[in-house]
Amino acid sequence: DTAVSQTPKYLVTQMGNDKSIKCEQNLGHDTMYWYKQDSKKFLKIMFSYNNKELIINETVPNRFSPKSPDKAHLNLHINSLELGDSAVYFCASSQEFSGSTDTQYFGPGTRLTVL
Amino acid sequence: TQLLEQSPQFLSIQEGENLTVYCNSSSVFSSLQWYRQEPGEGPVLLVTVVTGGEVKKLKRLTFQFGDARKDSSLHITAAQPGDTGLYLCAGALAGYSTLTFGKGTMLLVSP
Repeated sequence: DTAVSQTPKYLVTQMGNDKSIKCEQNLGHDTMYWYKQDSKKFLKIMFSYNNKELIINETVPNRFSPKSPDKAHLNLHINSLELGDSAVYFCASSQEFSGSTDTQYFGPGTRLTVL
Repeated sequence: TQLLEQSPQFLSIQEGENLTVYCNSSSVFSSLQWYRQEPGEGPVLLVTVVTGGEVKKLKRLTFQFGDARKDSSLHITAAQPGDTGLYLCAGALAGYSTLTFGKGTMLLVSP
């Protein structure tokens, strides 16, 4: 059973398009995250949701809009895609909202390529 | 400026060799985690260290948190091809709940 799943695995699209990435966790966790990993493997947090509410938005452009319909899902919608949005996007979850010691479980990632 | 500096960036060794990966910062962290990421997968947590000077062992992997909680090291004894992957350190600054990741060390262990 997959703990944190993401769809799609790969996404190739043209500049200016709007796309969504879906994430689901079956761990019963309260907190979910979106991370962006660039071509140099640098992993940076974008958003954090706790109990469906936005907790952290790390100065991400407002073209990115996360939506959490329930605690088990955190989807990422991106408007007007730009070349610089090309990256691997990871969803993660943890039991509590505490980055200090809690284990974060990562999904397999979605490789987004903007042409 | 990168908050967590990892070194080396790349490491290519033969099976059976020992290696150490470093994670350094000028900031104090309340805790530090090490992850391993394999190609096409998400990072997987290996260990969390929270006390200055703490040493944790996970089979052939030894993790150390610096006394001042500003740095950490990962030592692998008798590396195996299965250890190949991207090793990431991630720290939580005191008073913050988010993790800051280093840029990672790419390890390749050849048979």
